[in-house]
Amino acid sequence: KQEVTQIPAALSVPEGENLVLNCSFTDSAIYNLQWFRQDPGKGLTSLLLIQSSQREQTSGRLNASLDKSSGRSTLYIAASQPGDSATYLCAVGGTSGTYKYIFGTGTRLKVLA
Amino acid sequence: DTGVSQDPRHKITKRGQNVTFRCDPISEHNRLYWYRQTLGQGPEFLTYFQNEAQLEKSRLLSDRFSAERPKGSFSTLEIQRTEQGDSAMYLCASSLSSYNEQFFGPGTRLTVL
Repeated sequence: KQEVTQIPAALSVPEGENLVLNCSFTDSAIYNLQWFRQDPGKGLTSLLLIQSSQREQTSGRLNASLDKSSGRSTLYIAASQPGDSATYLCAVGGTSGTYKYIFGTGTRLKVLA
Repeated sequence: DTGVSQDPRHKITKRGQNVTFRCDPISEHNRLYWYRQTLGQGPEFLTYFQNEAQLEKSRLLSDRFSAERPKGSFSTLEIQRTEQGDSAMYLCASSLSSYNEQFFGPGTRLTVL
């Protein structure tokens, strides 16, 4: 059974810091991995999608990497801003031939001005 | 705004009542997913449609839950005889095809009194 873990559960950093969020999964037979942000009481906003054949994806200040063999992904946020404060979720798709996503419990990020 | 809409955004009901939620996916997306999210947790998969066919259902989807996508466009999720444990955020997502990026709606927050 696929299990997805995100560490740390919560993180508080001063504005301007570069930071790394971690996501690990137990079954490496995935088709893709998607990172989301979620603001309190809101839906999920897609940040980056990495297909299993890719090693990384970049969008603006965000960079996500994927190492399938070790069951790990990282989300790198450069020059953090207070507006980055949110919960960040990773989801893996395609385990056991299913199209559903399995989510981690998220990392709650607070960027202090 | 991701292009996925959900209605209503909030629903308060008394235990034992039936409730129905609607999801309108992005128009060209033929994959539609329902997830449930409780406080402090990542979303959990409920069910998945490819066009009008319901292809997968989670064990979380008890007999009181039913979902439809009658014409392969919008979808409804009905909960009969609601229980307090059904209180959660119900999220809908859509994707263009399998293993493509999933786009989430704003969610319907259900409170069962």
